[in-house]
This record gives sequence, C-alpha cells and structure tokens, in this order.
Amino acid sequence: DQQVKQNSPSLSVQEGRISILNCDYTNSMFDYFLWYKKYPAEGPTFLISISSIKDKNEDGRFTVFLNKSAKHLSLHIVPSQPGDSAVYFCAAREGGFKTIFGAGTRLFVKA
Amino acid sequence: NAGVTQTPKFQVLKTGQSMTLQCAQDMNHNSMYWYRQDPGMGLRLIYYSASEGTTDKGEVPNGYNVSRLNKREFSLRLESAAPSQTSVYFCASSGFTEAFFGQGTRLTVV
Repeated sequence: DQQVKQNSPSLSVQEGRISILNCDYTNSMFDYFLWYKKYPAEGPTFLISISSIKDKNEDGRFTVFLNKSAKHLSLHIVPSQPGDSAVYFCAAREGGFKTIFGAGTRLFVKA
Repeated sequence: NAGVTQTPKFQVLKTGQSMTLQCAQDMNHNSMYWYRQDPGMGLRLIYYSASEGTTDKGEVPNGYNVSRLNKREFSLRLESAAPSQTSVYFCASSGFTEAFFGQGTRLTVV
C-alpha cells in the first residue's frame, strides 16, 4: 500500500518551458514534504521542501505547492533546463524521522 | 567533506551467503536510514534509527538486520541473501530537515 504516489513515470518538456511534477499521499500524519533529484549512479540529493503548515515554498526556479485537503503536492520548475533531466522523488516525513518516498518521475528536458 | 560514505560500492553474493553493508556519516546527524531502490518502486525504507541506540522497522524490513554502532555508523546485514534482495542500497542521514545520501551499493544475489 503506497503512502506516497507519483503516478507519472516520465515527463518530457521543452527547454525554457515549465515542468510540473505531481505527488499524492494518503497518510494525514505526514508533516513535512521534500523533493529529491537523482542522477544515474549517484545518491539522491535534496532539492526543496515544505512544511505541512505552508502551502507554497519557492527557491529560485523551483516552487513546491502543497494542497493538504487534496493530499497533493507538486513541484514546478521554471524555466526548465537540459541539466534538470533526472529522476525526481517526492518524499513525506512522519514524526520527524520516518521518511517515505514515491516511485519517482523521470524528467526529460529537450534542448 | 565526505558526508555519507557507504562500502562496498558493488557486491555479488551467492544465495544463502551473508554480508554487512557499512555506512558512516560525518555530519553529526542523529537520524540514519537504509533504503533500497528497485525499478518502478522508488526508494523503500528498510530500517531507520532516530538516534543512537534506537532502531525501527521501515516498509520492507524482512530479511534484514541493522546495528547503530555509534552516532556515526549504521550497518545493514543480510543474514541469508536471496535473489529478491538484488537491488541498489542507499544509506542516508538527517538532522531536522533534509536527508543526505551515500553513493549507493549495487548488490546482486545469484
């Protein structure tokens, strides 16, 4: 039973356009949400996060939106660049420690 | 600036063999984690340790044991390896916010 779901295995976007990656969760006890980026043969690296008491957090080209009533969050990348091509994982944390990841979405940014 | 260091990077085991994956972090983090990554499954939590001296099961703990040796080190042991444990294993550590991951261990059980 997946508590964190990323229903799109892949996404292809033209360079300069917006990339929107989506994530749904089922556990209402999650209080902190994170996005990680992963390149092949490397460990995931942290990208951006949001607390459950907020609905938006922005860091440069990256913005995360949280809709608690819908148990949905999204990552917006504007403008998308070829170097953004990677696998993006959504993650949710409960109680400060236990962090559950989604299956990931592979983003392709075409030049 | 090592961060999270995992050893070994690659390993091939025969079914039934045992081995221990080692992980160490130098960021003075309280929490440490072991994940496995399989195609289409994302990262699944095997075990975690919220602080030195404590360990808890994650989503897929069966077939694994862990030891939080001290604040720096968190090891994962496979007592009797099975082909279903073929995967890429990641160790991570965290403070109050994001986790930092090691480079991964690619394990193949034949």
